[in-house]
Amino acid sequence: EPEVTQTPSHQVTQMGQEVILRCVPISNHLYFYWYRQILGQKVEFLVSFYNNEISEKSEIFDDQFSVERPDGSNFTLKIRSTKLEDSAMYFCASSTRGGLETQYFGPGTRLLVL
Amino acid sequence: GESVGLHLPTLSVQEGDNSIINCAYSNSASDYFIWYKQESGKGPQFIIDIRSNMDKRQGQRVTVLLNKTVKHLSLQIAATQPGDSAVYFCAEGGNQGGKLIFGQGTELSVKP
Repeated sequence: EPEVTQTPSHQVTQMGQEVILRCVPISNHLYFYWYRQILGQKVEFLVSFYNNEISEKSEIFDDQFSVERPDGSNFTLKIRSTKLEDSAMYFCASSTRGGLETQYFGPGTRLLVL
Repeated sequence: GESVGLHLPTLSVQEGDNSIINCAYSNSASDYFIWYKQESGKGPQFIIDIRSNMDKRQGQRVTVLLNKTVKHLSLQIAATQPGDSAVYFCAEGGNQGGKLIFGQGTELSVKP
């Protein structure tokens, strides 16, 4: 069964450093998403992406964040200058369409900013 | 503002019993609802979804009920098994951008 994959599974970085989190969505899906989950809290929406542009973003997704689909399979989240409060699990998800379609989540990348 | 919340943060049941997990939502314009299961250290796993034009939807051992009048969503798990132990999140959505708003989660613990 197709699934969303993410790399790395864990990332430790120093405050102020740039990180890139990678995702491979399900191959026939057209909508891609990033969410994050701070330890012990609920999952929070960051951004949705369709047709090579951002469809919607949350207040969390400020100028330090960017997303890119560099090729036909990868979808990346870049944090330019990490802060301590960026420490969280970051989940990628994908769906065939937006709106009323099921989003399938990857296993997540645990980011720790020191 | 928008919010999706859960009535019970924890639920403990005996193996074989039925479980009911509840969720309240505040955005009456939402027209798509999903239940996810999250095991420790893993990503949310899709369980079942329902659209606002339905009141009930059944899957394998799971049923989702939607009451739009009181903006309430529930997940029923029949014959709960130890493997069902996890945190369960409800989420609402339906706009074209696909944003899902998650609730806080309910931890289900199944005692053998």
